[in-house]
Amino acid sequence: DAKTTQPNSMESNEEEPVHLPCNHSTISGTDYIHWYRQLPSQGPEYVIHGLTSNVNNRMASLAIAEDRKSSTLILHRATLRDAAVYYCILYPPKIGTASKLTFGTGTRLQVTL
Amino acid sequence: KAGVTQTPRYLIKTRGQQVTLSCSPISGHRSVSWYQQTPGQGLQFLFEYFSETQRNKGNFPGRFSGRQFSNSRSEMNVSTLELGDSALYLCASSLEGTGGDEQYFGPGTRLTVT
Repeated sequence: DAKTTQPNSMESNEEEPVHLPCNHSTISGTDYIHWYRQLPSQGPEYVIHGLTSNVNNRMASLAIAEDRKSSTLILHRATLRDAAVYYCILYPPKIGTASKLTFGTGTRLQVTL
Repeated sequence: KAGVTQTPRYLIKTRGQQVTLSCSPISGHRSVSWYQQTPGQGLQFLFEYFSETQRNKGNFPGRFSGRQFSNSRSEMNVSTLELGDSALYLCASSLEGTGGDEQYFGPGTRLTVT
């Protein structure tokens, strides 16, 4: 089963860019790369996802390595509200076909003034 | 549009009892997935339902079951509760349950087993 590896924690100053890395060396050719974040006492919140090409949305950018074995979530200007645990998750083409979905432990992002 | 809702938000049960948790997906979403989150094991996939059919199940014992109704609302049931079942139970909905869909999570139900 494909697995993701993320640093346990990262720190950033407010209004600076943040690059959150994720390694997924056993990714299959059809797995989608998703990023979610979770604030204390809340459910995970969707951030962004992609398959092969880099993706941008109003929240963040996702840079996917050419061999797809790693990806980076980019927050362009971190704010205090971005402090959360960020999860990089691999989803198969159809969730119902996966024998097991695995999630990493996530990266706890701290943002300071 | 309204997000994913889960009821109840908090629940305290005793070992041996059973519990039913409810999830209402975003309107138009046909796939509902359930996850268990604990400090020690992190996020673990329980099962996924699509059009009233369970399409996939994670590595959990048969005490964990679920169902989905024709309006896509879903329930999960845990029988013969054990202390280790204390966790945050999350449901997520998406349009078709494909990897290309955005998954929208509910706030979760915090279950405490004493």
